[in-house]
Parts: sequence; structure tokens; C-alpha cells
Amino acid sequence: AQTVTQSQPEMSVQEAETVTLSCTYDTSESDYYLFWYKQPPSRQMILVIRQEAYKQQNATENRFSVNFQKAAKSFSLKISDSQLGDAAMYFCASFGNEKLTFGTGTRLTIIP
Amino acid sequence: ETGVTQSPTHLIKTRGQQVTLRCSSQSGHNTVSWYQQALGQGPQFIFQYYREEENGRGNFPPRFSGLQFPNYSSELNVNALELDDSALYLCASRYGLAGPPYNEQFFGPGTRLTVL
Repeated sequence: AQTVTQSQPEMSVQEAETVTLSCTYDTSESDYYLFWYKQPPSRQMILVIRQEAYKQQNATENRFSVNFQKAAKSFSLKISDSQLGDAAMYFCASFGNEKLTFGTGTRLTIIP
Repeated sequence: ETGVTQSPTHLIKTRGQQVTLRCSSQSGHNTVSWYQQALGQGPQFIFQYYREEENGRGNFPPRFSGLQFPNYSSELNVNALELDDSALYLCASRYGLAGPPYNEQFFGPGTRLTVL
């Protein structure tokens, strides 16, 4: 069984600043993957970044990076140089047993 | 754009009715998963179809059923609608059963179902 917990229902950040979204997870799988998805008002779920659990190196995609702490089962997302287009719901998710398990999401607001 | 489409965009039904939601996967994607996203919540896994057979189900009753067709389209059927079925329904397609990084899931824009 997998569980994903996002404890920040809402976050806000000034444009061009850095923000970190938190996520903790639990899984009985030995081989799993972790994701951050972005869901803008258009509702389309968009993959932001992916982390393979067997990799120690933290994933980075342009302005997006993660802090993966496997022992602590923590997987936070850092957004640098925040832009207005980053405003959305962000979901942390784990993939195991052929399915995705999502957290409840964090609504990110960008303040101009 | 992910190449995954869903129809209709919005739908209003009354309690007790039946509904069919449709998803068109990317060409070549033989695996489709359906998720229910209630308002203010994260998506929850309903079930998955691989090569036209159901091969995984979440904690949803049998009145949620599905079909997958050889042309990469699929359906989610819900019988005896209840008020709590009001949600955004998302489909996601990929090739094969294995996970990433080789088999990325691509989501459709969802169907918003309202049950009155």
C-alpha cells in the first residue's frame, strides 16, 4: 500500500522568488518512482519532475528541483525564479504496483 | 498537449442514472488508467486496462466498469449514480505495464461529472 501526504494546502510566493513544496510518502514497494505533477485551471495534469527511488542524486528540470530524502520518506519540490505561469495545484505522487497514488495537493499562488 | 483526449468536457446527470465517459489514448498506448478527482482532492485510482483486459482496480465498487478497444479508445461506465460520484474523471495512457522512465503516463484534460 502507498500513501502520499502533502501538509500545505496553500502556498504563495513573490514572482522571481523561490518556494518549496513539501511531500512525505510511505510505500511497501521496493522499486518505486516519485513525481510532482502540476494541474493548472485547464485541469490537464502535467508532469513537472520525476525521481527514481534507486537514484541518490536529486532530479532537476530547469527551475524545478527536488530534495529526495529516502530514509525520511520525504520528497519536496523547489521552484526557483517563480513565474506567473507556475500558479497551479501541485500534486506529489508515487508510482508502484502499476498505479499512481496522489497526495491532496498544494495550491501555489504567485504574487506579481 | 498530451495527445490524450476525453469527452464530454462536462456532464450533468441525476442520481440513479448511468453515464459513459470516453477517452482516446495516444496511438500505440495499450494501457489506460482511470482516476476520480473529487473537488479539492488528489486523483484516486479507479482501475486500469491493458490490452483490453482489466488488470488492476482501486477501492471502487463494481458499478464502476470499463472497456478498452483496439483503436486505443476506452470507456468508463458508472451505473446507479450517487451524489458522491460528482468529480473530475481523468484518464491516463501509456505503453505497457512497467513504470517510468520508459513508460510515461499522459493525462487527458478530464470530464467534469455533476450528479444532482
